[in-house]
Amino acid sequence: KAGVTQTPRYLIKTRGQQVTLSCSPISGHRSVSWYQQTPGQGLQFLFEYFSETQRNKGNFPGRFSGRQFSNSRSEMNVSTLELGDSALYLCASSPGTSGRGPEQFFGPGTRLTVL
Amino acid sequence: AQTVTQSQPEMSVQEAETVTLSCTYDTSENNYYLFWYKQPPSRQMILVIRQEAYKQQNATENRFSVNFQKAAKSFSLKISDSQLGDTAMYFCALSGSARQLTFGSGTQLTVLP
Repeated sequence: KAGVTQTPRYLIKTRGQQVTLSCSPISGHRSVSWYQQTPGQGLQFLFEYFSETQRNKGNFPGRFSGRQFSNSRSEMNVSTLELGDSALYLCASSPGTSGRGPEQFFGPGTRLTVL
Repeated sequence: AQTVTQSQPEMSVQEAETVTLSCTYDTSENNYYLFWYKQPPSRQMILVIRQEAYKQQNATENRFSVNFQKAAKSFSLKISDSQLGDTAMYFCALSGSARQLTFGSGTQLTVLP
């Protein structure tokens, strides 16, 4: 099976702009989670989508949003970018249903730089 | 709230030797899973091993094994016969009923030739 894919791999934006990141999960996986990784804060959970519904949300401002499509692909949007949003954004997929294990499999990440 | 603590920011080991990475955690849940992930310089997060809290037997995956002490809330990773390719950042992670992963701060492991 193909792994989790994320596009784009690298992005450079300026403050105030908005950005959309995309994630395609492993075939058959219905859950997609997003994480932010920074040197200062480490790995932090943003949100999880399952069957097109947000199932769980971390402690991030409303500028961070996401959605999931019927084919389980997910997008994450950050509006009004701030310098502190510079990070590696990781997407992870899992089957999402009980009985199939909670392991999450990660994509290669999108490196976002805000200038 | 769940917390995961890794108290060793950096470690090194000679090739072919054994090294143990430490992790402690806290959760109020009874059913949870623990994981070790590795993140090499490529930044790709790779699942190394998982442990189900209700299983007393320690998980093993080839050269990787864990020492799971539920009462002490400790979950260490032992890497045997260390290889240069094991050089990476290792993260301990916890997953409970909410299914989100709570990560520790990581341990940078360097395998020396």
